[in-house]
Amino acid sequence: DAKTTQPPSMDCAEGRAANLPCNHSTISGNEYVYWYRQIHSQGPQYIIHGLKNNETNEMASLIITEDRKSSTLILPHATLRDTAVYYCIVRLQTGANNLFFGTGTRLTVIP
Amino acid sequence: GAVVSQHPSRVICKSGTSVKIECRSLDFQATTMFWYRQFPKKSLMLMATSNEGSKATYEQGVEKDKFLINHASLTLSTLTVTSAHPEDSSFYICSAEFLRNEQFFGPGTRLTVL
Repeated sequence: DAKTTQPPSMDCAEGRAANLPCNHSTISGNEYVYWYRQIHSQGPQYIIHGLKNNETNEMASLIITEDRKSSTLILPHATLRDTAVYYCIVRLQTGANNLFFGTGTRLTVIP
Repeated sequence: GAVVSQHPSRVICKSGTSVKIECRSLDFQATTMFWYRQFPKKSLMLMATSNEGSKATYEQGVEKDKFLINHASLTLSTLTVTSAHPEDSSFYICSAEFLRNEQFFGPGTRLTVL
């Protein structure tokens, strides 16, 4: 699976949009971009995934650049409960389905 | 979404004893489950892939005789840490594959070996 690069940490004011970037310049054509988050001392939580089109669900939006070499996870109105480590992962949907967790971005939502 | 549970959530044991951790998919069947380990301030590291009805596949550097995995049914996988030592103290997390494109994670088990 392709490697990803994320900033180690970010702050965001409560109520504002949190934009978390991820670089995956070596992504191959059939690899998807997945986002998970891990709140302290809990298991990771699935957020969203996409291939090349932008995606939105009740938790977040995922914006993937046209060349697919980077993406941005957007939490439209961050709350204190969104404070967590956010992991961007690229993987195939078939074959070896384990997830490779990099170091992620520690997002701190500030009151 | 699909729910995965782990039991126990926290366990403290003496060095040299064995500890069993259960991972259950509560509302779906999972032919594949995964076991991860996470040390403090570190990311999750995959230990092994657990396949229902067959032997687990271990990642490089993970001792299969120390970390015994059994996946006897489509809703249950167990991880047994045998002859635990203080360096095995960690946060153990399982996940189960739901359909082909989502993994759901358990809440984790914090193991402390004294």
